[in-house]
Amino acid sequence: GAVVSQHPSWVICKSGTSVKIECRSLDFQATTMFWYRQFPKQSLMLMATSNEGSKATYEQGVEKDKFLINHASLTLSTLTVTSAHPEDSSFYICSARETSGSNEQFFGPGTRLTVL
Amino acid sequence: QKEVEQDPGPLSVPEGAIVSLNCTYSNSAFQYFMWYRQYSRKGPELLMYTYSSGNKEDGRFTAQVDKSSKYISLFIRDSQPSDSATYLCAIKSGSNYKLTFGKGTLLTVNP
Repeated sequence: GAVVSQHPSWVICKSGTSVKIECRSLDFQATTMFWYRQFPKQSLMLMATSNEGSKATYEQGVEKDKFLINHASLTLSTLTVTSAHPEDSSFYICSARETSGSNEQFFGPGTRLTVL
Repeated sequence: QKEVEQDPGPLSVPEGAIVSLNCTYSNSAFQYFMWYRQYSRKGPELLMYTYSSGNKEDGRFTAQVDKSSKYISLFIRDSQPSDSATYLCAIKSGSNYKLTFGKGTLLTVNP
């Protein structure tokens, strides 16, 4: 089956620093990738939709200058949390949709971000 | 009213029990219905996917959709301790690929 990886799986950083999270589709090409955030005991909240070669589309309330998304290739999207603060501590999950047109999204294992 | 409502539980059942998980949604434009299972500190994995009213069965899992009532269900037969996880319903319209998730129901199956 389709596999999506994320790196790193967890990261601890100091307040004010920037953190980059990678999302890769390992055995398929993904025109569209999605970035979600999940707080403890809460559901996944879509942050942005990332399309290869174009600007990401951000959901209402998500600061595009704080959460920088780059989808430079059909297998890689990155999310950079800039000037991280403790309230950005969360579980960040990406998903990828196959270029072939399947409706299914394949999810990565998530990245646990803790900002001290 | 939220687009998708799901009772977060927690739900605790003995091994072998039949589990019923439910979601309601408000937008009749939603056409595709999914159930995901998420283990602690892991990403969600797709369990069931359907786009029509009625039942869809896969092993011990049955997904049920009632579009007239805007109600979806997931039944787990002969539940096992390994089924212990958070179950999330997700829905989407046909016009885009955005998924709207329910809050998730935490299920514990006790041996």
